[in-house]
Amino acid sequence: DSGVTQTPKHLITATGQRVTLRCSPRSGDLSVYWYQQSLDQGLQFLIQYYNGEERAKGNILERFSAQQFPDLHSELNLSSLELGDSALYFCASSVGGSWSQETQYFGPGTRLLVL
Amino acid sequence: AQTVTQSQPEMSVQEAETVTLSCTYDTSENNYYLFWYKQPPSRQMILVIRQEAYKQQNATENRFSVNFQKAAKSFSLKISDSQLGDTAMYFCAFMKTSGGSNYKLTFGKGTLLTVNP
Repeated sequence: DSGVTQTPKHLITATGQRVTLRCSPRSGDLSVYWYQQSLDQGLQFLIQYYNGEERAKGNILERFSAQQFPDLHSELNLSSLELGDSALYFCASSVGGSWSQETQYFGPGTRLLVL
Repeated sequence: AQTVTQSQPEMSVQEAETVTLSCTYDTSENNYYLFWYKQPPSRQMILVIRQEAYKQQNATENRFSVNFQKAAKSFSLKISDSQLGDTAMYFCAFMKTSGGSNYKLTFGKGTLLTVNP
């Protein structure tokens, strides 16, 4: 158990809908990363937050957004869902603050299926 | 941009034997970390081992060790005394540690390792 929690574990929804994925980092970690794992794209970085602020963006679609709250949990919002958004979404956390504290520990993932 | 290549899509090994998984990467950076993560059938991503590029000594974690060749940009994972529980997809990952605050991981496509009894 990495100490990172993600809910829900599974999500089935329809095209055009909106969903919210939630992540709680390890105790003491300030950085949260979101990754998407799909068969065709592999593991891709989406976005990073550090202590409530957005730090970096990767290949995140405009239909997707995220935020990190004062209690440091993070949410990834996916809207206008398409079939191609079906994937495993991981949250990872690290202590943060400097390069030496950025080893990332992953949550169990949320498996999203868009029908 | 950095790229990570794992040239072996699948490998198999007999229980108790040793196996080596290959990884090469391309970067112009001098400061970085390299990682191996495993993803068993449960799909959980588990950190196996970490190597700092500035360290010449190869990292070791119990039965897992790496052969880090910085000049060749090679980072292989050796698993000794393979166990059935080592059956998983193994991902090599790169993280730049200089020039900003984006410490994203760049992953290879993975090697599926099967340990046979």
